[in-house]
Amino acid sequence: QSALTQPPSASGSPGQSVTISCTGTSSDIGGYNYVSWYQQHPGKAPKLMIYEVSQRPSGVPDRFSGSKSGNTASLTVSGLQAEDEADYYCSSYAGSTNWVFGGGTKLTVL
Amino acid sequence: QVQLVESGGGVVQPGGSLRLSCAASGFTFSSYGMHWVRQAPGKGLEWVTFIRNHGKDKYYAGSVKGRFTISRDNSKKTLYLQMSSLRAEDAAVYYCVKDNSVWAFDIWGQGTMVTVSS
Repeated sequence: QSALTQPPSASGSPGQSVTISCTGTSSDIGGYNYVSWYQQHPGKAPKLMIYEVSQRPSGVPDRFSGSKSGNTASLTVSGLQAEDEADYYCSSYAGSTNWVFGGGTKLTVL
Repeated sequence: QVQLVESGGGVVQPGGSLRLSCAASGFTFSSYGMHWVRQAPGKGLEWVTFIRNHGKDKYYAGSVKGRFTISRDNSKKTLYLQMSSLRAEDAAVYYCVKDNSVWAFDIWGQGTMVTVSS
C-alpha cells in the first residue's frame, strides 16, 4: 500500500488560514470516509485532530476542520496560532483492515 | 486518565528478537481494537499491525507480516508486539495506539525506541 501524498511544508502568519492536502486513491481516501489527521510536536506522540473526514474529538479547537473531495482530503487550520506549528499527518483506512499514512507536512507559523 | 505506557524497547542485533508491551489504563481495554504504529528516526508514521478487541483477529502491514506477532491479554489490560528476524529498517519508535472504533487512532502511548544494530 503506497503512502498518501502530502506537501512537505506549509506556512502562514498568525491569524491566517492554511490548508494541507492529502491525496490518495479510490482504494483508500476515495473509498472510505475514514480519513483522520494527526498533529505531532517535536519529540511528542501524535495527537488525533480530525476523524471520519471532518469530526473533531473533544478538546480540539474548532479552528481545525477537515473535508474530502474524491481522492483528496484536506485539513484547514483557521486563525493560526504559534502553538499550531507542528508536523501534521493524514491517514486513511485502506480496506482489508489496513491503514495508510501520508508522509507528513511541516506547518510553520511565520 | 486514559493512558498507554509502552516498554521493552532497546538495542537488538539484526536477525534478533524483541517483545514490546503496552499497559493500558483509564478505559475498558477489552472493548477496543488496538494498533502498533511506528516512526523511523526523522521519518513519517507507518501502521504496523491491528488486533480486534477479542484478540482473535489480527492484521499486519506487508513489511512485517510473518515476522511480527501482535497479541493481547485483556485480563492484564496489556498489548504485546513480538518482533523477530529484525532488520535495520525496523528501527523506529513504536507507539501503542487505541482505535476509536471508527478506524482512527485516538489514544497514543509515549512510544518505545527500537534500535537494530550490530
